[in-house]
Amino acid sequence: QSALTQPASVSGSPGQSITISCTGTSSDVGGYNYVSWYQQHPGKAPKLMIYDVSNRPSGVSNRFSGSKSGNTASLTISGLQAEDEADYYCSSYTSSNTLGVFGTGTKVTVL
Amino acid sequence: EVQLVESGGGLVQPGGSLRLSCAASGFTFSSHGMHWVRQAPGKGLEYVSVISSNGGSTYYANSVKGRFTISRDNSKNTLYLQVGSLRVEDMAVYYCARDRGWLQFLDYWGQGTLVTVSS
Repeated sequence: QSALTQPASVSGSPGQSITISCTGTSSDVGGYNYVSWYQQHPGKAPKLMIYDVSNRPSGVSNRFSGSKSGNTASLTISGLQAEDEADYYCSSYTSSNTLGVFGTGTKVTVL
Repeated sequence: EVQLVESGGGLVQPGGSLRLSCAASGFTFSSHGMHWVRQAPGKGLEYVSVISSNGGSTYYANSVKGRFTISRDNSKNTLYLQVGSLRVEDMAVYYCARDRGWLQFLDYWGQGTLVTVSS
């Protein structure tokens, strides 16, 4: 099972909006509404930000939103803040194996 | 408050073994599937293994199948990962994580325990 494809890096200025893409296939992202997104600050554990494509867990800022079109899911961060600088990983259920699959990861830099 | 605390990592020689533990609190442990996810230094996240809430179903990444064993003790609210025949490429931070239900998403993560494989 190959990892889902994410851009290596995305950057933006404070207050701007950025979007991170997560591209898979019809066997994972495109076939199921089971995409989740995780934020990871350096040296810290990942944190769930979005589940089931577009749902936010309690306590996660509404500046984070998720969507999906075809085989590509997206995470949008609006009103970018310094604290959003971190690595972001998508994940999807896949019919290829039971465990699921992560994306390659995207480093978000706040300029 | 949900808490997951891993332990058991350390330095081990190639071919060696370790038992990682994850102590859970703040939720009904026996109601959730549990995962081990690892992250090699400077690399991305990788699913390693998952176990169902009652321990009856287990699954492994191809890269660790036959060498790692996941288990749980619901009476002790503890998850385990027995890692054996270790290779240099197994060196990583190992995180335990709670599945929202079964094969859904990982809503809580521990802080991780580092396994270093070196001679």
